[in-house]
Amino acid sequence: EPEVTQTPSHQVTQMGQEVILRCVPISNHLYFYWYRQILGQKVEFLVSFYNNEISEKSEIFDDQFSVERPDGSNFTLKIRSTKLEDSAMYFCASIGDTTLISGANVLTFGAGSRLTVL
Amino acid sequence: SQKIEQNSEALNIQEGKTATLTCNYTNYSPAYLQWYRQDPGRGPVFLLLIRENEKEKRKERLKVTFDTTLKQSLFHITASQPADSATYLCALKMNTGFQKLVFGTGTRLLVSP
Repeated sequence: EPEVTQTPSHQVTQMGQEVILRCVPISNHLYFYWYRQILGQKVEFLVSFYNNEISEKSEIFDDQFSVERPDGSNFTLKIRSTKLEDSAMYFCASIGDTTLISGANVLTFGAGSRLTVL
Repeated sequence: SQKIEQNSEALNIQEGKTATLTCNYTNYSPAYLQWYRQDPGRGPVFLLLIRENEKEKRKERLKVTFDTTLKQSLFHITASQPADSATYLCALKMNTGFQKLVFGTGTRLLVSP
C-alpha cells in the first residue's frame, strides 16, 4: 500500500539551528500538509500546500517556518531558527484526488519526524 | 471560541465489550467528521468518516454516529480486542473552502484481556 515517507525519524538540534524535515508524499496525491504534535497534546495544523504554493497556514506557521516542493517528489518543512517550544512530532500528510474531489479530505499521514530542540 | 473536545481520561474496558468514545464540538459547522487511530509514536491512521447529512456509518466492528444538533459524534468499537488499544482522534472538515482537518485532543482506549 502506498505510504507517506518522512525523514529523519528523529532529529536533535541546538536552539537557534536550522532544521529541514523531509517528506515524500504518495505519488499521485495533490494536496500536502504539515501537522505537529507536542508531546501529550493534540495534532495541530501548520500548513497546507497545493499547486506549488501555500494554500492555508495557521498562526503557528510564522516567519520561522517555510515549505517547498523542490523537485516534484519531496516536500520539505524548514524551521530557520529553532526554539525549545518547537520540540514536537512533525507529521506530513497528503490527500488523493478522490477524496479531494468528494470534499472529504481523508489524510494519509507519515510516521512522523520527532524534533528535539536542546 | 472553537473547540473539539474528547474525553481526556483513558477509557478502560474489558475485551469483548463495546467501547464508546465521544467527540463534542462548538462553533464549528463541519461538512465531514472523521475518526483516526493513533498508536504511540506513529501518525494518525484514517478509520471512518461521516457526512453532515448522515446519522450513522458502519465498517466491520466500527460504528460512527453524527448528531449536528447536539454537535456530537459517537464512535463505537464492538467486540473490542486488546489490539484496539490506541488513541482515537476525531477530526472535522469544514464547509468552507479550506482544506485542512481540525483534530480533537483524542481519547486513549485500553482494552484488557
